[in-house]
Amino acid sequence: DAGVIQSPRHEVTEMGQEVTLRCKPISGHDYLFWYRQTMMRGLELLIYFNNNVPIDDSGMPEDRFSAKMPNASFSTLKIQPSEPRDSAVYFCASSPQGGNQPQHFGDGTRLSIL
Amino acid sequence: AQSVTQLDSHVSVSEGTPVLLRCNYSSSYSPSLFWYVQHPNKGLQLLLKYTSAATLVKGINGFEAEFKKSETSFHLTKPSAHMSDAAEYFCVVRLTGGGNKLTFGTGTQLKVEL
Repeated sequence: DAGVIQSPRHEVTEMGQEVTLRCKPISGHDYLFWYRQTMMRGLELLIYFNNNVPIDDSGMPEDRFSAKMPNASFSTLKIQPSEPRDSAVYFCASSPQGGNQPQHFGDGTRLSIL
Repeated sequence: AQSVTQLDSHVSVSEGTPVLLRCNYSSSYSPSLFWYVQHPNKGLQLLLKYTSAATLVKGINGFEAEFKKSETSFHLTKPSAHMSDAAEYFCVVRLTGGGNKLTFGTGTQLKVEL
């Protein structure tokens, strides 16, 4: 079975550029999560969706960050304009509906802003 | 509010010896608890989950964890470490009433030596 698929795996870009990260959740999963992982702050939840609707975006650091889920099989996380402090590994995860269902993680996008 | 505390940031064991990774939780309700493992440059993978069905939970790769309400602990153990177990391990609690939101511990880096 295909797991959560993220692209690109690595992204290096210059400060000020727009960055778009992509995620394809596991088919049939109703929840989709975006996380950021850094050495200093560990794993942080940025935003999550239920049935394509954003439920909680309280973890989104600034207005420069935005996320969309136009359909059940695709989500994007966009940073515009990007800054060096946005450098991190960004993970997407999905899970089925229902209590106690585990989240399934993609392999992440390693983002470096120069 | 629910939270987890991982008591050791680094643990080092010899191959073939037991592994103990410690986790304490804080929750007003009966929590849902998970252990995830993260290998270098990979996403998080579910090892096991506790959902109140049984206090001793068996997971993949020979790992198990015991839920002890009196001690508010959910320690991860394995009888005999293998080199391939070297990774970072996260203790995780699911927030009650928070949809499927998870709160992650700060992680324990497991090193396995010959």
